[in-house]
Amino acid sequence: SQTIHQWPATLVQPVGSPLSLECTVEGTSNPNLYWYRQAAGRGLQLLFYSVGIGQISSEVPQNLSASRPQDRQFILSSKKLLLSDSGFYLCAWSGSASYEQYFGPGTRLTVT
Amino acid sequence: AQSVTQLGSHVSVSEGALVLLRCNYSSSVPPYLFWYVQYPNQGLQLLLKYTTGATLVKGINGFEAEFKKSETSFHLTKPSAHMSDAAEYFCAVAGNTPLVFGKGTRLSVIA
Repeated sequence: SQTIHQWPATLVQPVGSPLSLECTVEGTSNPNLYWYRQAAGRGLQLLFYSVGIGQISSEVPQNLSASRPQDRQFILSSKKLLLSDSGFYLCAWSGSASYEQYFGPGTRLTVT
Repeated sequence: AQSVTQLGSHVSVSEGALVLLRCNYSSSVPPYLFWYVQYPNQGLQLLLKYTTGATLVKGINGFEAEFKKSETSFHLTKPSAHMSDAAEYFCAVAGNTPLVFGKGTRLSVIA
């Protein structure tokens, strides 16, 4: 069966510090991968998605970037965090020919 | 372009009462429709989905939803609410883009 992992589970970082969140998927090949953010009291915002290694689509201009160095690994990064980057970050995957997405457990990021 | 509107950001029901969470969508192509549930500090879990075929779909935990093309709706129902149903519920649509989510409806269940 397929599983999706995210780490860390929680993170507290000062403003201006770098960020690296990692997501990995097991049990499937060539998945589509997604990064979302949930700010407090708001819905899901799609940040990035990837249909293959090195292929990243950005949905909104922001302080963040994404990379996919391996087929089942998706990384969310920032060089300098802003207070507004605080939120709950979710990684998800879908089959390459499917729309339904499966979500990881999330990372709670607090920027202080 | 596709979009989803969830009517009511917060719904409260009594334990044992009917749960009805409303979702309307807009899509320029035949839609694929989904409901997800999110418990506090967790990821989203797929409740049910509509792709093609039968318009009444059943999901986990006793939930079901009916696709009504004429009303562009995909409302989520459950005959009898349990305390464990308290969570955030998201409706989503896909067709020619990745999933587009609604803003969510928080369901509270009162004992």
